[in-house]
Amino acid sequence: DAGVIQSPRHEVTEMGQEVTLRCKPISGHNSLFWYRQTMMRGLELLIYFNNNVPIDDSGMPEDRFSAKMPNASFSTLKIQPSEPRDSAVYFCASSLEGAAYEQYFGPGTRLTVT
Amino acid sequence: AQSVTQLGSHVSVSEGALVLLRCNYSSSVPPYLFWYVQYPNQGLQLLLKYTSAATLVKGINGFEAEFKKSETSFHLTKPSAHMSDAAEYFCAVKKGGTASKLTFGTGTRLQVTL
Repeated sequence: DAGVIQSPRHEVTEMGQEVTLRCKPISGHNSLFWYRQTMMRGLELLIYFNNNVPIDDSGMPEDRFSAKMPNASFSTLKIQPSEPRDSAVYFCASSLEGAAYEQYFGPGTRLTVT
Repeated sequence: AQSVTQLGSHVSVSEGALVLLRCNYSSSVPPYLFWYVQYPNQGLQLLLKYTSAATLVKGINGFEAEFKKSETSFHLTKPSAHMSDAAEYFCAVKKGGTASKLTFGTGTRLQVTL
């Protein structure tokens, strides 16, 4: 398997622009997670889906952030409008549903908002 | 609610020395525990996991961890450090049942010196 695929790997954008991050989970996995990692705040869970349904979005910072999972093989995280404080590495992870299963992480998207 | 505490944000060891990274958990139900490693500019990779079978768990790259319920600990060890072990290490916990969500610790950066 190719693992979790994220695109783009790097994104540089100007403040106020819309940013869309993409994720393709491992085939057969039914849970998908979006994380944000910064030096100041560490690794934060933003939202997760089970069977394409958002289960917990309490980590989404504010209304500028939205996430969708239209089908089992694709998810997006959108920031509109972007701000410099959104600069971070965004990770997508997937797993089988259940406590004993580990999450598999993608390589991340490094977002820089100027 | 579940949580993990990683003691020591930075640990430095000499090559060939014992590696000990500490993790204590808090959970109201029997936990599932995980250790992940993150190399620079990469996503997180599973080292090992505890899922209520054997209390001593062996993982990749010569790492192992022991679940100690009486001490609420899940410390990560490796008998002999290698330069390639330099990375950031994260302990994480899930509650049992069908829970999918991982709660991560703040991470420990391991430095290996000659």
